[in-house]
Amino acid sequence: GAVVSQHPSRVICKSGTSVKIECRSLDFQATTMFWYRQFPKKSLMLMATSNEGSKATYEQGVEKDKFLINHASLTLSTLTVTSAHPEDSSFYICSARERGRALETQYFGPGTRLLVL
Amino acid sequence: AQSVTQLDSHVSVSEGTPVLLRCNYSSSYSPSLFWYVQHPNKGLQLLLKYTSAATLVKGINGFEAEFKKSETSFHLTKPSAHMSDAAEYFCALDTGRRALTFGSGTRLQVQP
Repeated sequence: GAVVSQHPSRVICKSGTSVKIECRSLDFQATTMFWYRQFPKKSLMLMATSNEGSKATYEQGVEKDKFLINHASLTLSTLTVTSAHPEDSSFYICSARERGRALETQYFGPGTRLLVL
Repeated sequence: AQSVTQLDSHVSVSEGTPVLLRCNYSSSYSPSLFWYVQHPNKGLQLLLKYTSAATLVKGINGFEAEFKKSETSFHLTKPSAHMSDAAEYFCALDTGRRALTFGSGTRLQVQP
């Protein structure tokens, strides 16, 4: 089946630094990628939707200048957490929708756990 | 507004006994509903989906779910639990914007 990878799987950084998380569709082209954030014992919360070659659409309350999303190719989207603070510590999950397929063929990455000290 | 409520954060069953994971939803229009499973350090895997066809939906690994509009529920069941079923389960709703609204998850523990 289709595979989505995320890198890194875990990252620890100091407050004030920026962290980039990559999301790759390994064997299919992803026209749309979604970025979710998951707090402990909480739902996955949609942060933004990115379409290849266009600007990401952010959910209400998500700071676009803080969470920079780039979907430069049909197989790669990146999320950069700029000037990270401890409250940004969370589990970030991406998903990718295959070109031409229905919503239910959305494939999820394994997630990236970010800890900001 | 759309929302999903998973009524149990943790469910524990014995191997070979039935599984019931509960999910209720709120939606202003006819929803599409999904169940996903997440094993440790793995991505979410689609178990089954309801998209306004048959109300009883069969999925992978022996799971099924029944859409009940009158109860706004989409509970996940399996007749006989297996040790490999131990995982986190998420119910999700299609918001109509090509993204999903997730419940908070239910951790299923299977005792030998």
